[in-house]
Amino acid sequence: DAGITQSPRHKVTETGTPVTLRCHQTENHRYMYWYRQDPGHGLRLIHYSYGVKDTDKGEVSDGYSVSRSKTEDFLLTLESATSSQTSVYFCATKDRDQPQHFGDGTRLSIL
Amino acid sequence: KQEVTQIPAALSVPEGENLVLNCSFTDSAIYNLQWFRQDPGKGLTSLLLIQSSQREQTSGRLNASLDKSSGRSTLYIAASQPGDSATYLCAPNNAGNMLTFGGGTRLMVKP
Repeated sequence: DAGITQSPRHKVTETGTPVTLRCHQTENHRYMYWYRQDPGHGLRLIHYSYGVKDTDKGEVSDGYSVSRSKTEDFLLTLESATSSQTSVYFCATKDRDQPQHFGDGTRLSIL
Repeated sequence: KQEVTQIPAALSVPEGENLVLNCSFTDSAIYNLQWFRQDPGKGLTSLLLIQSSQREQTSGRLNASLDKSSGRSTLYIAASQPGDSATYLCAPNNAGNMLTFGGGTRLMVKP
């Protein structure tokens, strides 16, 4: 959808290791977002970006950092993964006044 | 803080019925509202975007209405089909181009 590719699609790792998830878009959208989706909590915003090198925190940003060095790429990093960060992570993009479009998600398991 | 409630949480109907899914939100100062569907294990697909100045938006068998002042939106699905089975999510957009998601309505349409 809207040319959004998330990688990897699945990942299993151990507590304490660093993890980076990548979101790549081909639509030249200005805004990009990272969400996590958990049973009982729905979709929650982690971080978002409103331009290259312009990012801000969302509702559940603790333990996560992001970077956007190019319009098309938005990286989400877990510096030291914890079991509570086991989740499905979604990237989304949009342009002003346009619908938000989502990638297919990354299923992350932290053991 | 915006809070979004979707009723019912789950719905099972026979094929052919017309359906109404409800969404209410606490902060009426929204720019627009988006409806999504999510199939199991998949990302979100945008269905309709309704601007705050609009009352209704239609796409095929789907019709979304918005009453901003009362903090309500409804998604009407005409002549439901088994392929409509999915979780439906509403998400109002407040300042900053950020969506707040409801918990969703899980719909099953039986043949």
